[in-house]
Amino acid sequence: EVQLVESGGGLVQAGRPLRLSCAASGFTFDDYAMYWVRQASGKGLEWVSGISWDSGTIGYADSVKGRFTISRDKAKKSLYLQMNSLRADDTAHYYCAKGSSGWYGSPFASWGLGTLVTVSS
Amino acid sequence: QSALTQPASVSGSPGQSITISCTGTSSDVGNYNLVSWYQQHPGKAPKLIIYEVDKRPSGVSSRFSGSKSGNTASLTISGLQAEDEADYYCCSYAPSNTLLFGGGTDLTVV
Repeated sequence: EVQLVESGGGLVQAGRPLRLSCAASGFTFDDYAMYWVRQASGKGLEWVSGISWDSGTIGYADSVKGRFTISRDKAKKSLYLQMNSLRADDTAHYYCAKGSSGWYGSPFASWGLGTLVTVSS
Repeated sequence: QSALTQPASVSGSPGQSITISCTGTSSDVGNYNLVSWYQQHPGKAPKLIIYEVDKRPSGVSSRFSGSKSGNTASLTISGLQAEDEADYYCCSYAPSNTLLFGGGTDLTVV
């Protein structure tokens, strides 16, 4: 069974960094594209970032480009999101999602339960 | 990057069919057959219900179907059931290795 468990969320001051992690199990992590999607309370889904199976293709939403960095660790079967220069509008529930294939752009086939990031101004 | 446009809400009666539209541009929805749809119940993580415009993942009811014409994709739910009441989001691949979600549609089964 696919399991994605996010961690690292919490309350942080504006301008400070935070690093999210997503521990993957139940599938061959190296074979799949991975993504971060966020959702502010009462709002819609917003794609944040994605990374192909081999880290060869990476993308970011304009709202986070230059501040957030996505990465993955094959040995630890983990996905990361380094978030710098956090702003109040980054406050959201952050979901880790597994692509349906290794190809970047494949749909979000499985989702974690998410981790809450709250940025105080 | 502008969000795709969806109606804020739709409603239907049990047994009826409804369609949710998702309008983008010639750069995203109109340029790629890479539109997916997600169902999200309150307090839950989203669930993939349609991918590549009209494909259903294993285990998803055949009552859900997708289509696309030009810059607009559509999700149709036939034989509405109470359990279909949820938020629905479309998503499209877009230039520069980005993805775009629609604003979401609140489906009420009355």
